[in-house]
Amino acid sequence: DGGITQSPKYLFRKEGQNVTLSCEQNLNHDAMYWYRQDPGQGLRLIYYSQIVNDFQKGDIAEGYSVSREKKESFPLTVTSAQKNPTAFYLCATGPGTGGAYQPQHFGDGTRLSIL
Amino acid sequence: RKEVEQDPGPFNVPEGATVAFNCTYSNSASQSFFWYRQDCRKEPKLLMSVYSSGNEDGRFTAQLNRASQYISLLIRDSKLSDSATYLCAVNRPNTDKLIFGTGTRLQVFP
Repeated sequence: DGGITQSPKYLFRKEGQNVTLSCEQNLNHDAMYWYRQDPGQGLRLIYYSQIVNDFQKGDIAEGYSVSREKKESFPLTVTSAQKNPTAFYLCATGPGTGGAYQPQHFGDGTRLSIL
Repeated sequence: RKEVEQDPGPFNVPEGATVAFNCTYSNSASQSFFWYRQDCRKEPKLLMSVYSSGNEDGRFTAQLNRASQYISLLIRDSKLSDSATYLCAVNRPNTDKLIFGTGTRLQVFP
């Protein structure tokens, strides 16, 4: 989606290193999400945030951290504690809840590999 | 039982064929349903929302069967460009989360 920018497109991590993936949106959406996709698997939720300065763990939060200091930005840090970080990382946004749930829209992803 | 399940396929169909995929969900309280299309090594893109009464967008028809807890996607007159993986997404009730299926791969051949 044009309104969601993820960078970098490809990232390589050395053993013991923390790396940060960027996600910026100009859709004025309240909710932002981070997913991980492994080959042949569905999207698994890492963290999500419904509002600035607040975020919640998803289903696989261990070894990851996030911040939400601005509405437009939701960076994800993959820490050295994440032992199997190689995956396709997808950031998504949504208008937030309030009655019927709205679909999420995705950035074009970051591919992370271990060196 | 998984929250959301899809047949991984692949479904190999000739151009012009009609093909249908199902996606079953486990929580009867789920209220929101979506189909996404994902091309190889790309992000998922919203294809269509699924409404209770069923909805159609060109060659694509989505339906919801609450009694049997599944949604379906029907593609008529398949094109080569329809080749992709189709993901369903269902909301987890009382949360702000969407749960995604693992996807069904469609390959349309000439």
